[in-house]
Amino acid sequence: QQQVKQSPQSLIVQKGGISIINCAYENTAFDYFPWYQQFPGKGPALLIAIRPDVSEKKEGRFTISFNKSAKQFSLHIMDSQPGDSATYFCAAKRQGAQKLVFGQGTRLTINP
Amino acid sequence: DTAVSQTPKYLVTQMGNDKSIKCEQNLGHDTMYWYKQDSKKFLKIMFSYNNKELIINETVPNRFSPKSPDKAHLNLHINSLELGDSAVYFCASSQDKARSYEQYFGPGTRLTVT
Repeated sequence: QQQVKQSPQSLIVQKGGISIINCAYENTAFDYFPWYQQFPGKGPALLIAIRPDVSEKKEGRFTISFNKSAKQFSLHIMDSQPGDSATYFCAAKRQGAQKLVFGQGTRLTINP
Repeated sequence: DTAVSQTPKYLVTQMGNDKSIKCEQNLGHDTMYWYKQDSKKFLKIMFSYNNKELIINETVPNRFSPKSPDKAHLNLHINSLELGDSAVYFCASSQDKARSYEQYFGPGTRLTVT
């Protein structure tokens, strides 16, 4: 199985709040889990990535939490800002492969 | 400086026509990709080339044919366009196979088939 399931499909958060997007996977041979951010009319851009041997990675207001036993990982956006409004994709890369398997995407709206 | 560029940005055409989308990257990357993003925003890999060699060829109608004249360019030619081909097509590149989780996407080409 090479699926990555992402939830929720859409999310509305107030400015200053915490945005949380979750992903689950089935294939244990994945070796990288990146998150991409896509603004309307633009291509996706890499936000942050984590390996499965790390439980948490933080870059500024963005944190990935990784639960290997549960095969789940999540993106937390602290102090969410209107400029964070975008579609977020989780993804997974299988070891030795080049293909990225993307989640279905989450449309995040931060209300001012 | 644009890292990954695509032309055209918009393409409106009729069913049955043949069209091409061009992609160029100036990052010095070895690997390039084509993705299709449908109306629900789902991103699906179509093809990938590494140093001009085709390495990923997903289940895509053979009306779609990629061509890589050199490692900085990856073009997509579509024959006999159908309504269902309407989507946004993204080109992307990565440094090499090991760093394929870090892909740089172009701005996309919105294809509308009428």
